[in-house]
Amino acid sequence: ETGVTQTPRHLVMGMTNKKSLKCEQHLGHNAMYWYKQSAKKPLELMFVYNFKEQTENNSVPSRFSPECPNSSHLFLHLHTLQPEDSALYLCASSQADRVPMNTEAFFGQGTRLTVV
Amino acid sequence: AQKITQTQPGMFVQEKEAVTLDCTYDTSDPSYGLFWYKQPSSGEMIFLIYQGSYDQQNATEGRYSLNFQKARKSANLVISASQLGDSAMYFCAMREEGGFYKLIFGTGTRLQVFP
Repeated sequence: ETGVTQTPRHLVMGMTNKKSLKCEQHLGHNAMYWYKQSAKKPLELMFVYNFKEQTENNSVPSRFSPECPNSSHLFLHLHTLQPEDSALYLCASSQADRVPMNTEAFFGQGTRLTVV
Repeated sequence: AQKITQTQPGMFVQEKEAVTLDCTYDTSDPSYGLFWYKQPSSGEMIFLIYQGSYDQQNATEGRYSLNFQKARKSANLVISASQLGDSAMYFCAMREEGGFYKLIFGTGTRLQVFP
């Protein structure tokens, strides 16, 4: 049982739909992340939240909108996506900044998103 | 800019044999950490082993060990006595010191263990 839970596990949506991905962590961490995993490409860090504040946005298109209402929950709101946005979206959490270098991040099982 | 390179898209190994998964990295920061994660078909990333840039000895965790060659900027993962359950994607990742926590990943290597 992972300490980071993502729902839904699978999502198929049309290009005009609006949907949201949810991530919840039970580890007492105060940093959360969204990563995008496409085939044959490195995991791409999309957004970083520390203490509920967004600290990084890696040039992600505005059709992806993150929300972090508290340190335990992270959402990714999706609207008017493109077929190339189909990927596995992974959520992760860790202790926040100024932590020892060997601090690991914990990941959820991901949401497999297909845009049709 | 920091970068992780994994040149082996796929590897095969027979059960009980050892296998080495390659990872090279690029950074100008003298202080950094290197991580290996395993991703089974279920999707979640599982932390395996860590190596710090100032660590004098290669990291070991059970059947996992890291062949760290700092001058060559390589941090290869060695899995000894492979098991069928080791079949998965393996990712090398790096974190630089300073600022907020951020992991940069490579493209991964798919390992298949056969009987």
